[in-house]
Amino acid sequence: DQQVKQNSPSLSVQEGRISILNCDYTNSMFDYFLWYKKYPAEGPTFLISISSIKDKNEDGRFTVFLNKSAKHLSLHIVPSQPGDSAVYFCAASDRGNNRLAFGKGNQVVVIP
Amino acid sequence: GAVVSQHPSRVICKSGTSVKIECRSLDFQATTMFWYRQFPKQSLMLMATSNEGSKATYEQGVEKDKFLINHASLTLSTLTVTSAHPEDSSFYICSARVGSHNQPQHFGDGTRLSIL
Repeated sequence: DQQVKQNSPSLSVQEGRISILNCDYTNSMFDYFLWYKKYPAEGPTFLISISSIKDKNEDGRFTVFLNKSAKHLSLHIVPSQPGDSAVYFCAASDRGNNRLAFGKGNQVVVIP
Repeated sequence: GAVVSQHPSRVICKSGTSVKIECRSLDFQATTMFWYRQFPKQSLMLMATSNEGSKATYEQGVEKDKFLINHASLTLSTLTVTSAHPEDSSFYICSARVGSHNQPQHFGDGTRLSIL
């Protein structure tokens, strides 16, 4: 049962524009959400996270928005850069266990 | 900061061999380390969670005698695949975390294990 879902597996965006990645979850016990970036042949790199007590967290070009009522979060990257081309994973965890539930990832291609 | 080193990156060996994979947190002390396995075109699947000095907690369906985990210190955890067979061929990746569930896990670069 996929508790974290990332639809639209791939996204192409022009350099300088905004990239928006979406993630939906089903488990209402999730209270901590993360985004990871992954290049080929490397492990996922932590990008940004958000606690369920917030609805927005910003770090440089990356902003994560959380809509708890809709069980939806999104990652905004602005401005997008060619080095942002990678696979992005949404993940979530709850207080009750140590597990991170991952989405299947979104491929982002930033066109120079 | 938050660098996790995993070694080796690739292993090819014969069936019946035992293979040890190391996971080190280089610039922080990890309260907890995690071992994942990834099948093609699928998400990371958690195999086990380990805390320094205590026995690992294995996920349902993961054979603890097959996948031995030792968490010897706050910076080192090892996964040993014992008597590996072709069906154990996979991508194994570790992560490390400071603190509790509301802190990020930091991942190594993974190990591609191929059993002939």
